[in-house]
Amino acid sequence: NAGVMQNPRHLVRRRGQEARLRCSPMKGHSHVYWYRQLPEEGLKFMVYLQKENIIDESGMPKERFSAEFPKEGPSILRIQQVVRGDSAAYFCASSPGTDYNEQFFGPGTRLTVL
Amino acid sequence: AQTVTQSQPEMSVQEAETVTLSCTYDTSESDYYLFWYKQPPSRQMILVIRQEAYKQQNATENRFSVNFQKAAKSFSLKISDSQLGDAAMYFCAYRSAGGWQGAQKLVFGQGTRLTINP
Repeated sequence: NAGVMQNPRHLVRRRGQEARLRCSPMKGHSHVYWYRQLPEEGLKFMVYLQKENIIDESGMPKERFSAEFPKEGPSILRIQQVVRGDSAAYFCASSPGTDYNEQFFGPGTRLTVL
Repeated sequence: AQTVTQSQPEMSVQEAETVTLSCTYDTSESDYYLFWYKQPPSRQMILVIRQEAYKQQNATENRFSVNFQKAAKSFSLKISDSQLGDAAMYFCAYRSAGGWQGAQKLVFGQGTRLTINP
């Protein structure tokens, strides 16, 4: 069973461009979580999605950030008009359901904003 | 809101020795889960051990064990017989056991960088 997949692994954007980060959950998992890790810090929750629904977006910045998890295809975290402060590692995790307490993490996408 | 605190930014230990990493948390909930994750230089987050708050027995996974003190809201990780491959950042994390909307997220501490000296 393949693990959580994220691509790209590394993404470089110039200020003002858009960044799209993709996450394919483990097979059979319908719950996806996005976390952000700033340099030398712990992971911070951003958003929790189920297929076609955003369940908890309490950690998402109010502007420029959005996330989706369509019926078909990967979950997408989209950052519009990136700024240098968006430079971080973005991790996706998945789980099969709310009754399962473990979240399985992908390898992360390292976003660098020039 | 729940918080997790790791007061040791860095720790080091001699290979084959034992080391304990500290973690405290703050919550008003009675039922929750606690985790220790390892993040090696590859940055992959690897689950090391988990503890359900309703279980009094401390969790153990091979060389890794925890000391869970619910009343003190403390959750330390003990690594026995340290190996070079244990060198990594270690994160303590909390998750509510509730079924409400915001219960699913993991709340992480700041991390402890563990160095193993040969």
